[in-house]
Amino acid sequence: KQEVTQIPAALSVPEGENLVLNCSFTDSAIYNLQWFRQDPGKGLTSLLLIQSSQREQTSGRLNASLDKSSGRSTLYIAASQPGDSATYLCAVLKGGGNKLTFGTGTQLKVEL
Amino acid sequence: EAEVAQSPRYKITEKSQAVAFWCDPISGHATLYWYRQILGQGPELLVQFQDESVVDDSQLPKDRFSAERLKGVDSTLKIQPAELGDSAMYLCASSFLGLAGARETQYFGPGTRLLVL
Repeated sequence: KQEVTQIPAALSVPEGENLVLNCSFTDSAIYNLQWFRQDPGKGLTSLLLIQSSQREQTSGRLNASLDKSSGRSTLYIAASQPGDSATYLCAVLKGGGNKLTFGTGTQLKVEL
Repeated sequence: EAEVAQSPRYKITEKSQAVAFWCDPISGHATLYWYRQILGQGPELLVQFQDESVVDDSQLPKDRFSAERLKGVDSTLKIQPAELGDSAMYLCASSFLGLAGARETQYFGPGTRLLVL
């Protein structure tokens, strides 16, 4: 059974700092990995999707990398802003049916 | 921009009552997903539809949960009877084709937060 772990569970940083969120998964036979953002009491917004054949994806201040062989992904956020405060979830896709397995998330707070 | 719609946004009910949640996916999306997210955890898939057919309901507690998507468009998730442990956020998502391995994003609705007393 695929298990997805995210470290740290919570993170508080000052505005402007660069930061890295970590995601690890136990079964490396995945099709892709996605990073989502979830604001309190809200649904999920997809940030980045990395196919299994790719090493990284970038969108604005966000960069996600994937090392499938070691079962790891990182989400790099440059020059963090208070508006980045949210919970960040990674999820992996394996097998038929497009089923995503989610991690438990990292709760990020960016302070002024 | 097209969005996944869900209602109600919040629901408070008593143990043993019946509750129902509604989801309207993005127009043209063939695949619809219902997830349950317990506070502090990631979402867990309950059921996946491809058009009107169920393709995965392995994690759906079938003794009390049911889901339908009769015309292959909107969907209803029902719990009867509700239990205290059902308190969670219920998220609906949709994707265009739902093909395994496809470079395809799932789009999530705002969720229904259920509290069972």
